[in-house]
Order: sequence, then C-alpha cells, then structure tokens
Amino acid sequence: EAGVAQSPRYKIIEKRQSVAFWCNPISGHATLYWYQQILGQGPKLLIQFQNNGVVDDSQLPKDRFSAERLKGVDSTLKIQPAKLEDSAVYLCATRVNTGELFFGEGSRLTVL
Amino acid sequence: KQEVTQIPAALSVPEGENLVLNCSFTDSAIYNLQWFRQDPGKGLTSLLLIQSSQREQTSGRLNASLDKSSGRSTLYIAASQPGDSATYLCAALEGGSARQLTFGSGTQLTVLP
Repeated sequence: EAGVAQSPRYKIIEKRQSVAFWCNPISGHATLYWYQQILGQGPKLLIQFQNNGVVDDSQLPKDRFSAERLKGVDSTLKIQPAKLEDSAVYLCATRVNTGELFFGEGSRLTVL
Repeated sequence: KQEVTQIPAALSVPEGENLVLNCSFTDSAIYNLQWFRQDPGKGLTSLLLIQSSQREQTSGRLNASLDKSSGRSTLYIAASQPGDSATYLCAALEGGSARQLTFGSGTQLTVLP
C-alpha cells in the first residue's frame, strides 16, 4: 500500500513570497490533516478535512494560509505572504476508521 | 481543550537498558492514543495505537499502556538499541464527531552504544 506523498520536500523562500505544498493521501482515506511542526515542538493542527469538507480550521492563520482538498483526494496548503515564523515542517496525515494516522515525510519550509 | 504533556523532554540511556516514556493528557474522553517515532528530518512513523477500550498494546520490544482514568499512557522500550534513538511523540484523538488529534512535544531519546 502506497503511503502519504508530499511535495516538495524542501523549499526556501524569502519573506512575503508565496509557497504551496501538495499532499496525496493513501487511497480511500477520507480524513486528511495538515500539521505545522516547528523545530523542537510537537505538530500543531492547521486544518482537518473530511472528504472535501473542512471539519476544523480554527488554528489556521486565514489571513495568510489557505488549504483545499478537491474531489476529496489530493490537498494543497498555500502560504501567501510568508513570514519568518512560518519556517517549519508541514506534515500531511490521513486517518483510517480505526483512528490510526499515517504521515507523509513532510515539507520543510525555510523563510529568509 | 485537550493538552498532552510528555516528560522528560530528553532522555539518554546506555544500550541494553529498559526504559519508560511518559505521556499525560487532560481530557480522558479520548477515542484512542497513538505513539509515533520521528527521526531527524523525517515524518512521523506510527508505533502503537491503543483504542480507548484497551489497556495496552505490544509490538516487538515496545509496549504501550493506557490508563484513561488517570490520563496517562506509557511507552516501554525493552533492551534499548542505538537504532532506537529518535523523538517519540504521543497523540490523543478525541471522541465525538470532530476527532481532533492533539500531540505532545515529544521525548528525544538517545541510546548510547
């Protein structure tokens, strides 16, 4: 079974530029999460999708972050404009009915 | 709001030692609790999943326990090896329709050869 795929693995941008991350979940997994993990901390939930609907985006900085999940499969997370404090690893995860989560390798963002 | 705490933040042990990592959570109304391993620069790998109705799960040298009433989970690693060096995170999945997952900050484990 293929895992959760994320791209790009690494991205370096200057502040005020924009960036987009892509996630291809495990086939059939309806629930998809985007997490932000700052170095030395646990992952923090940004947004949760159930199929293509948003379940929880209460911690998503909506003035600069946006996410979508078209057709309930792939998802993109966009940051525009980026700030220095957005430097982090952005993790995508999907969940099966048992509640077990599967994570991608993450996309490491450095904002200069 | 669920809060998950992991103590200690870092742990260093000699090879071969048995060790216990701790995880505590404030809201006992969880659906399950999951332990993950994270290697530097990598994503999270699922180690063990304990459903709310279970008390423990075992996989090889790993054993995870869950005590909902006290809001605690432990991950026991037997006969530690240098390859076990990584950050271990626990995460509590809440019950209800939202099913929000809350992570602890992790315990960074170093097993010395």
